[in-house]
Amino acid sequence: QVQVQESGPGLVKPSQTLSLTCSVSGASIDSVSFCWNWIRQPAGKALEWLGRVCNTGSTNYNPSLKSRVTISIDTSMNQVSLTVTSVTAADTALYTCARDRVVGATRERYYYHIDVWGKGTTVAVSS
Amino acid sequence: DIQMTQSPSSLSASVGDRVTITCRASQGIDKYLGWFQQKPGKAPKSLIYGASTLHYGVPSKFSGSGSGTDFTLTINSLQPEDFATYYCQQYSSYPLTFGGGTKVEIK
Repeated sequence: QVQVQESGPGLVKPSQTLSLTCSVSGASIDSVSFCWNWIRQPAGKALEWLGRVCNTGSTNYNPSLKSRVTISIDTSMNQVSLTVTSVTAADTALYTCARDRVVGATRERYYYHIDVWGKGTTVAVSS
Repeated sequence: DIQMTQSPSSLSASVGDRVTITCRASQGIDKYLGWFQQKPGKAPKSLIYGASTLHYGVPSKFSGSGSGTDFTLTINSLQPEDFATYYCQQYSSYPLTFGGGTKVEIK
């Protein structure tokens, strides 16, 4: 059974860089069938997709954060990483790692849907 | 970005009830829509993709329908373990976007 575990500092100072790790067990992260997403949710607010990375290293990012977010994959460690630069209080949230898999295809592209979620890790931005 | 609007934002229901949650996309997304269930302190659980296909292991009491811009999630015979928050999410295009959630509470 695939398990996903997020880890990282629970407190980050404003203007600094937030760095989180997603450790995957029960499945190889180096699979062409899956990609890995980061999603966050401020308390009482909606879910926000930050971006994703696939085993090839290809990425997609949310344009609203693209310049501050980097997602990378380390197949040797079976881990995915997230960094968010220049954080502010607005970046305070529960950060969750999630796997998606191919659920459909057309001639133009594949379609992926999230099937496995981590429990998330809370990050507060405060001085 | 495609905006996803869920309604209602919350509802109260009794054990045994049938409930329906609606999700509307700001533009057509074909059937590229999924539904998730989230309980407090727990990881979200994926229920449905392709608007109507159940993920492995999801009971048939859950069903989804719709295409284009309007979608519904129906839960039959509500049980105590079904009281949770439900989210829709489109995967037709990036960025992926979620609805605001519907909290299903016990009446």
